[in-house]
Amino acid sequence: EAGVTQFPSHSVIEKGQTVTLRCDPISGHDNLYWYRRVMGKEIKFLLHFVKESKQDESGMPNNRFLAERTGGTYSTLKVQPAELEDSGVYFCASSQTNRQNTEAFFGQGTRLTVV
Amino acid sequence: GDSVTQMEGPVTLSEEAFLTINCTYTATGYPSLFWYVQYPGEGLQLLLKATKADDKGSNKGFEATYRKETTSFHLEKGSVQVSDSAVYFCALRPSGGYQKVTFGTGTKLQVIP
Repeated sequence: EAGVTQFPSHSVIEKGQTVTLRCDPISGHDNLYWYRRVMGKEIKFLLHFVKESKQDESGMPNNRFLAERTGGTYSTLKVQPAELEDSGVYFCASSQTNRQNTEAFFGQGTRLTVV
Repeated sequence: GDSVTQMEGPVTLSEEAFLTINCTYTATGYPSLFWYVQYPGEGLQLLLKATKADDKGSNKGFEATYRKETTSFHLEKGSVQVSDSAVYFCALRPSGGYQKVTFGTGTKLQVIP
């Protein structure tokens, strides 16, 4: 079974440009989470989808970040326009809905560098 | 709110040395506790977990015990190997199943031959 897949693995863009990150969760997982790790700091929660609905977006830093999950399958996270402080590693995770205390499976992350 | 504090790295050990990475947490109720590991060039992997007080999680020679009285979940391994070199994250998730995970800052471990 394929795990959580993120694309691209690395992205280097200039300040002011737009970047779109993609996450493909494990098939059948209704819960999808985005996290971010800024250099040397903790991994911080960004938002949580249940199917196509945003369950919790309290961690989104500002309105330059837009997450979507049309159809409840894969998700995209767009940063527009990108700023230097957006650099970091963006992780996606997914989990099932039908069991309590179920594990969240993480992708390999997308390393974003804004120059 | 919930928080996780873990010892800062990097930690450098010789092969076969004993490892302890301290982790304490702040949360209401009875959260589940986790250790995740990120090997170079790879994604986050769940290393071990414990879901209630006094539970011991273990995997690949690593162990951690859920201590409610000290709100701690220290990671230990008796004899580290070069292949254990990675970044280790302590984390918690509130009770209720589908809540978001709160992570610590990560501790980088380097094991030298």
